[in-house]
Amino acid sequence: DVKVTQSSRYLVKRTGEKVFLECVQDMDHENMFWYRQDPGLGLRLIYFSYDVKMKEKGDIPEGYSVSREKKERFSLILESASTNQTSMYLCASRGLDRGVGYTFGSGTRLTVV
Amino acid sequence: GENVEQHPSTLSVQEGDSAVIKCTYSDSASNYFPWYKQELGKGPQLIIDIRSNVGEKKDQRIAVTLNKTAKHFSLHITETQPEDSAVYFCAAPQPQRGYQKVTFGTGTKLQVIP
Repeated sequence: DVKVTQSSRYLVKRTGEKVFLECVQDMDHENMFWYRQDPGLGLRLIYFSYDVKMKEKGDIPEGYSVSREKKERFSLILESASTNQTSMYLCASRGLDRGVGYTFGSGTRLTVV
Repeated sequence: GENVEQHPSTLSVQEGDSAVIKCTYSDSASNYFPWYKQELGKGPQLIIDIRSNVGEKKDQRIAVTLNKTAKHFSLHITETQPEDSAVYFCAAPQPQRGYQKVTFGTGTKLQVIP
């Protein structure tokens, strides 16, 4: 089975801290994604990477950056965490076939205090 | 970009009844439509998908129908069970970068009442 592993299930960080969310997939997928999930707003794309060192902004990139140094790993970085970044963060991966879906990780519930 | 609308936002059904969730999309070139189920505390999981060259696909108690002319697709769950209670998301591909990204609907919270 394809696995997408997010390093933390729950995180509590202070305002202004630099936060790293890590995601690793084991199926050699080219595409990796970071989404944010908030009640009533569904899944919103933060950043997308289609290859190593390649990234593209999603719908809500402000306040976030990403890093993809290796194909299997995609990191989301909150440069200076703020309370409005309290949310559920979901990582996903997908191969190049347009006819297949995403595989999601279990999510990281981040609380910024 | 692709615009996906999903209805209803919440749905309560009695165990054994059927549930239907509908989504509309805007890009007529979209050709792949997945449905995801998200249980409490977990990430979304792909449960069924359909490509644009077919009108219906079934997998046991779940089915997806696609109307390309009207640009809408629906998830049908028959003989609902309590374990079907979850949030369901539809999705449609975005045309940018070779349809590698999708736009998700806002989700439907399904409650199956025993």
